[in-house]
Amino acid sequence: AQSVAQPEDQVNVAEGNPLTVKCTYSVSGNPYLFWYVQYPNRGLQFLLKYITGDNLVKGSYGFEAEFNKSQTSFHLKKPSALVSDSALYFCAVRDGGTGGFKTIFGAGTRLFVKA
Amino acid sequence: IAGITQAPTSQILAAGRRMTLRCTQDMRHNAMYWYRQDLGLGLRLIHYSNTAGTTGKGEVPDGYSVSRANTDDFPLTLASAVPSQTSVYFCASSPDRGFYNEQFFGPGTRLTVL
Repeated sequence: AQSVAQPEDQVNVAEGNPLTVKCTYSVSGNPYLFWYVQYPNRGLQFLLKYITGDNLVKGSYGFEAEFNKSQTSFHLKKPSALVSDSALYFCAVRDGGTGGFKTIFGAGTRLFVKA
Repeated sequence: IAGITQAPTSQILAAGRRMTLRCTQDMRHNAMYWYRQDLGLGLRLIHYSNTAGTTGKGEVPDGYSVSRANTDDFPLTLASAVPSQTSVYFCASSPDRGFYNEQFFGPGTRLTVL
């Protein structure tokens, strides 16, 4: 069965420092991986996705994510954090091996960026 | 461009009452979804629709029903609300059910069942 784990409930970083939000996944077929961000009292917004090709994917707002097949990970990164990056981040996966429609979301990681 | 709109924004409901959460998209997307968001559990799929006229059950469908009479609208109905249905509900859409498609989310409806 497909699953996704975000091992950290919360990540704290100082403004200007690099940030990493971790995600690992389990699927039976090819993984299709997504990151979304949720600001307070708002719906989720798409940040980036990995479908195939380059392992380093670039997305919105300066975020990028690295797909690592051997470690089944898709960590979200940003070289220099901003206070405005503080939000709830969700990793999600779709399993190309099941032929199914379902997107599985992680529980979310709350990012706090201190000025 | 509105994207996805949801109504109401929030609602307090007595247990046993019937409630319909509305969702409308203007992107002409074929696929639509209803999720509930609960603290520590992420988003869980309630029901989905791959195209107008079809619907399917997600991860947590019990107590909920949906219809998809046209492309734009995808209402979610709680026939007889229970306190465990207290949650934030998000409607989402994608161009189709393809694996590579990201989803577009509405602003959510915060529902409290007392």
